[in-house]
Amino acid sequence: AQTVTQSQPEMSVQEAETVTLSCTYDTSESDYYLFWYKQPPSRQMILVIRQEAYKQQNATENRFSVNFQKAAKSFSLKISDSQLGDAAMYFCAYRSAGNTPLVFGKGTRLSVIA
Amino acid sequence: GAVVSQHPSWVICKSGTSVKIECRSLDFQATTMFWYRQFPKQSLMLMATSNEGSKATYEQGVEKDKFLINHASLTLSTLTVTSAHPEDSSFYICSVGDPYGYTFGSGTRLTVV
Repeated sequence: AQTVTQSQPEMSVQEAETVTLSCTYDTSESDYYLFWYKQPPSRQMILVIRQEAYKQQNATENRFSVNFQKAAKSFSLKISDSQLGDAAMYFCAYRSAGNTPLVFGKGTRLSVIA
Repeated sequence: GAVVSQHPSWVICKSGTSVKIECRSLDFQATTMFWYRQFPKQSLMLMATSNEGSKATYEQGVEKDKFLINHASLTLSTLTVTSAHPEDSSFYICSVGDPYGYTFGSGTRLTVV
């Protein structure tokens, strides 16, 4: 079975600075997808960024980018120019090919300091 | 991604009663939906996979008779918590998979008193 590990229960960053959240995963599959979701206090799950395993190029969405290291099974999220609104719980998630459920890590709580 | 509506957002019920939670895919025909449970300050735990027109697939340890799932159409899946007890109090979230990724409902906070 696939597993997702987030080793940082909590992180903090100064406003306008950059922070990196770590995620590693374990799988024997070659075709899969990786995601980062944000869960603010409202508890609405918001997709931040996604990465297809077959793509070598790292995904980028505005201030959010990933460092995808397939051989190392690592998928970290970098948030640049951090804003107060970035404060939330961040979950790394894995999905096998096909319409299969997401497997989540335990999450990292990010605080942004003004 | 798909637009997903989940209702109610918050419900309080008495112990021993049943509660139904609805998850609607408003703009995408969803043959599969997923139900998760989330305890405070914890991650999402998959409860079951809801399949349109057939029985749901439950994860190990999830009581099928307590958490009844019905997926009668391509746009609606329901989760009914039967004979609810205080330990069933939790946050329940549904999810729809579309070609781009997964969209989540806004969640339902269930409190059993």
